[in-house]
Amino acid sequence: AQSVTQLGSHVSVSEGALVLLRCNYSSSVPPYLFWYVQYPNQGLQLLLKYTSAATLVKGINGFEAEFKKSETSFHLTKPSAHMSDAAEYFCAVSEGYGGATNKLIFGTGTLLAVQP
Amino acid sequence: EADIYQTPRYLVIGTGKKITLECSQTMGHDKMYWYQQDPGMELHLIHYSYGVNSTEKGDLSSESTVSRIRTEHFPLTLESARPSHTSQYLCASSEGTVYGYTFGSGTRLTVV
Repeated sequence: AQSVTQLGSHVSVSEGALVLLRCNYSSSVPPYLFWYVQYPNQGLQLLLKYTSAATLVKGINGFEAEFKKSETSFHLTKPSAHMSDAAEYFCAVSEGYGGATNKLIFGTGTLLAVQP
Repeated sequence: EADIYQTPRYLVIGTGKKITLECSQTMGHDKMYWYQQDPGMELHLIHYSYGVNSTEKGDLSSESTVSRIRTEHFPLTLESARPSHTSQYLCASSEGTVYGYTFGSGTRLTVV
């Protein structure tokens, strides 16, 4: 069965510093992987996704993530944090081979705080 | 503009009331989902549908029910609301897993 682990429920960085949010997955089949962002009192917005093409995926707002099969990781990074990046971030993995069950399994989320 | 809409955004109701949370999407997606989001922000799948007249219960037991009479509409109903139902409810739709989900803005429900 697939699962997702997000290390660190709270991460705090200074404005301009590197953002690194960690996500490890467990899957016996090639996964589809996603990062979503949630601002207060909003739904989730897709940041980027990996669907078996390029292993380095670029998303919106300057974020990117690298799929590393050997480490079963899909960490999210941004070179320079902005105050507007403060939000909750969720990693998700597809369930079933090729996403066959049409369901995503979400991690427990990481709350990113950006200090001025 | 193609989108997914949830109404109301905020709702405060008394215990025992019947409520329906609305979710509509204009993207023609067959697959739709309801999630309950705890104050700690974790997401729990409570219902999903893969097409008209198809509904399934999710991983988290819920006293709510859903219906899917039209492709674009996936309402969630609580027959008798209780304080334990206080939560945020998120609706999502999808064209297929490879595309990910599109989420609505959510309904924050408070039962007093």
